[in-house]
Amino acid sequence: DAGITQSPRHKVTETGTPVTLRCHQTENHRYMYWYRQDPGHGLRLIHYSYGVKDTDKGEVSDGYSVSRSKTEDFLLTLESATSSQTSVYFCATHRDGLETQYFGPGTRLLVL
Amino acid sequence: GENVEQHPSTLSVQEGDSAVIKCTYSDSASNYFPWYKQELGKRPQLIIDIRSNVGEKKDQRIAVTLNKTAKHFSLHITETQPEDSAVYFCAASWGGNKLVFGAGTILRVKS
Repeated sequence: DAGITQSPRHKVTETGTPVTLRCHQTENHRYMYWYRQDPGHGLRLIHYSYGVKDTDKGEVSDGYSVSRSKTEDFLLTLESATSSQTSVYFCATHRDGLETQYFGPGTRLLVL
Repeated sequence: GENVEQHPSTLSVQEGDSAVIKCTYSDSASNYFPWYKQELGKRPQLIIDIRSNVGEKKDQRIAVTLNKTAKHFSLHITETQPEDSAVYFCAASWGGNKLVFGAGTILRVKS
């Protein structure tokens, strides 16, 4: 499982509140990704990082921001959660020069 | 940008039969095509992948074929077993970055 953990694993929050999800990896992988998974849509890329302080937007980045101040941590923030952000969020990593992405266990987020 | 379509959305087979899942992609620059298996409540896990310089790859009961001209690739599972029941996702990317996933196929193997 490439030493990837996500926290929290489950969260219930209210509309309009800020939420931060954390992805932590112990493999020293350069690349890190945040995906969301919704029925009928597979996994969609939210943001990704190609190094400390180097991030970029993915396909569904509106309403999300990220930060990466250390190689091992990649944070996803919902500034003001909405019900449409209810989803399962997966973090993934891969090593520079190798294509295989390894996924974390996921965070199930419910926005009421 | 890249777009990946996956069919069928659900597939039921008898134990021991073969299962085939097909994906098409739109960006001819894509050169890496992984397949992930996801069991209920678990993380996606890579089961096989193929690069654009290869037409076919096998790993025991699992094989993937790639047709670059037609921009489609397929997953073949032979001698299916109940533990093959899961959701399968195809994906495409250039160099392994920024994977674009298909919508997934629910495979049910009936015993």
